[in-house]
Amino acid sequence: GEDVEQSLFLSVREGDSSVINCTYTDSSSTYLYWYKQEPGAGLQLLTYIFSNMDMKQDQRLTVLLNKKDKHLSLRIADTQTGDSAIYFCADRSWGKLQFGAGTQVVVTP
Amino acid sequence: DGGITQSPKYLFRKEGQNVTLSCEQNLNHDAMYWYRQDPGQGLRLIYYSQIVNDFQKGDIAEGYSVSREKKESFPLTVTSAQKNPTAFYLCASSTGETDTQYFGPGTRLTVL
Repeated sequence: GEDVEQSLFLSVREGDSSVINCTYTDSSSTYLYWYKQEPGAGLQLLTYIFSNMDMKQDQRLTVLLNKKDKHLSLRIADTQTGDSAIYFCADRSWGKLQFGAGTQVVVTP
Repeated sequence: DGGITQSPKYLFRKEGQNVTLSCEQNLNHDAMYWYRQDPGQGLRLIYYSQIVNDFQKGDIAEGYSVSREKKESFPLTVTSAQKNPTAFYLCASSTGETDTQYFGPGTRLTVL
């Protein structure tokens, strides 16, 4: 089956940039997504990128897609304490979303 | 306010009992989904429905049932046949070309 993999943990200092990485295996993916989950809450859509794009920027968020290597990354500029959460990448293929296990981001002062 | 609501936020049930989780959306979305989340894991799809009166099994449908009688509502029943029902359950809905899914706040089910 299709797999989406993420590193499990990232620690970053407040004010620095965070980079969260994700790899996927399904070459038929059409859209790729980044979601944020705070403790006890649902998933909040952060951004998404169409598979024919290389980059998308949205305020502090930059998504990079390397379709050849099936690698997706999310960069958060000027990371704040409110960015502490679990971040999920997901790829959409054949009408369904396949999620990674999530990357826990801890922002330290 | 448009959005997805799930109720209740916390639910406790005894072993052997069926329980129904509510999911309602006022976004006029055609498709709705149920996911299960376990600690340290990604979301796994239980059931999904792309139109009223139609639904399909996801990856882990055993022990669950759904109905889609109205566009706004997609309740999930966790039956006594589900071996490990304790989990966080998330409902989502989507529409449009990108089919981007938007999530509700979740229901945490604990079986005692």
